[in-house]
Amino acid sequence: DADVTQTPRNRITKTGKRIMLECSQTKGHDRMYWYRQDPGLGLRLIYYSFDVKDINKGEISDGYSVSRQAQAKFSLSLESAIPNQTALYFCATSDSGQGTYGYTFGSGTRLTVV
Amino acid sequence: AQSVTQPDIHITVSEGASLELRCNYSYGATPYLFWYVQSPGQGLQLLLKYFSGDTLVQGIKGFEAEFKRSQSSFNLRKPSVHWSDAAEYFCAVGRNQAGTALIFGKGTTLSVSS
Repeated sequence: DADVTQTPRNRITKTGKRIMLECSQTKGHDRMYWYRQDPGLGLRLIYYSFDVKDINKGEISDGYSVSRQAQAKFSLSLESAIPNQTALYFCATSDSGQGTYGYTFGSGTRLTVV
Repeated sequence: AQSVTQPDIHITVSEGASLELRCNYSYGATPYLFWYVQSPGQGLQLLLKYFSGDTLVQGIKGFEAEFKRSQSSFNLRKPSVHWSDAAEYFCAVGRNQAGTALIFGKGTTLSVSS
């Protein structure tokens, strides 16, 4: 099984619908992140969480919300999806311990808003 | 705030030729620096990372990178490129302390010609 699992892998939704993207991890990491990837723009940070009670906005949090249900689960919600939220979404985890700062990424969720 | 610039959007290299991908960062102190690779349709994989110490770091798949503080650069190199190296490469920077998420560059797409 993958260390970081994202569901669904692909999703097509209509404008105005609420949608949730889920991320779960078996790495035992305390930190979790949501990024979106758009062609030519790289990865941009949406939200991140350093533990269950800690949630922080990233550079493009407008239109998104998150929930850290447990150390292993971090969900991203689009309350009312719009077409410019069409993108590839990645969840990542990291360990806060010194020297283990690199991320482990999930395989991504490709979201299309029509 | 830290930032990352990858000046080259797309590079084409002949198989067997050497490769250098450029990365410049902006940060006031010594940063944590990373290179990730994303093969088509895949998630991101960590190639190498720099925290401190020796400025030439070795990674997986025969890649290396050199941290040059005076130039605020962390360029990725490979002596001989293989067709399987065709992918998108991302440089990322983080602050050398707890409490931040990584900031990614916009990526460089590498094509390998035969």
